[in-house]
Amino acid sequence: GENVEQHPSTLSVQEGDSAVIKCTYSDSASNYFPWYKQELGKGPQLIIDIRSNVGEKKDQRIAVTLNKTAKHFSLHITETQPEDSAVYFCAAEKAGNMLTFGGGTRLMVKP
Amino acid sequence: DAGVIQSPRHEVTEMGQEVTLRCKPISGHNSLFWYRQTMMRGLELLIYFNNNVPIDDSGMPEDRFSAKMPNASFSTLKIQPSEPRDSAVYFCASSLGFGGTEAFFGQGTRLTVV
Repeated sequence: GENVEQHPSTLSVQEGDSAVIKCTYSDSASNYFPWYKQELGKGPQLIIDIRSNVGEKKDQRIAVTLNKTAKHFSLHITETQPEDSAVYFCAAEKAGNMLTFGGGTRLMVKP
Repeated sequence: DAGVIQSPRHEVTEMGQEVTLRCKPISGHNSLFWYRQTMMRGLELLIYFNNNVPIDDSGMPEDRFSAKMPNASFSTLKIQPSEPRDSAVYFCASSLGFGGTEAFFGQGTRLTVV
């Protein structure tokens, strides 16, 4: 089955700096790659996603890149703010609607 | 829409007892998922339904776990008998369509088995 590795497990940045989280996946048939943000005591919430026919996608301060050949994708957050502090999960899905999640990254943005 | 609704939010039970977790998906969504989250294993998919039919239950850890979806607006995850290692946060999520669509998660049920 699919295996998704996520790094780093924790990331601490100063407010205003950029944060980058990286994921690799194993199944070349995966074609949908969402990123979820989980705040304390809440369920994960989708923040951005990318499909295999696209190399990059941006939404305000958040961007994702996908390298299908290398089977890795990354989340980039620019101008980080304290409210960006949360746990971020990457995921990969192939046909069949089954998401496999990475292990999560705890992002801490220091004011 | 109120989103995916799970109940209870917290459950503390004694080992050996039966536990039932409940989920109401977003109206109109036809896919429903049950996940378990622990520090050690992260977010694991237990089972998912499409149009009320279980499609894949390979993530269900053992026969003590069972899930049902009697209609499009309700699902249950049952653990019988419960064990301390079942302690985790259980999430229900729903989505519209089959593949490549956003999954909306509930607030989760924190289960503690003592």
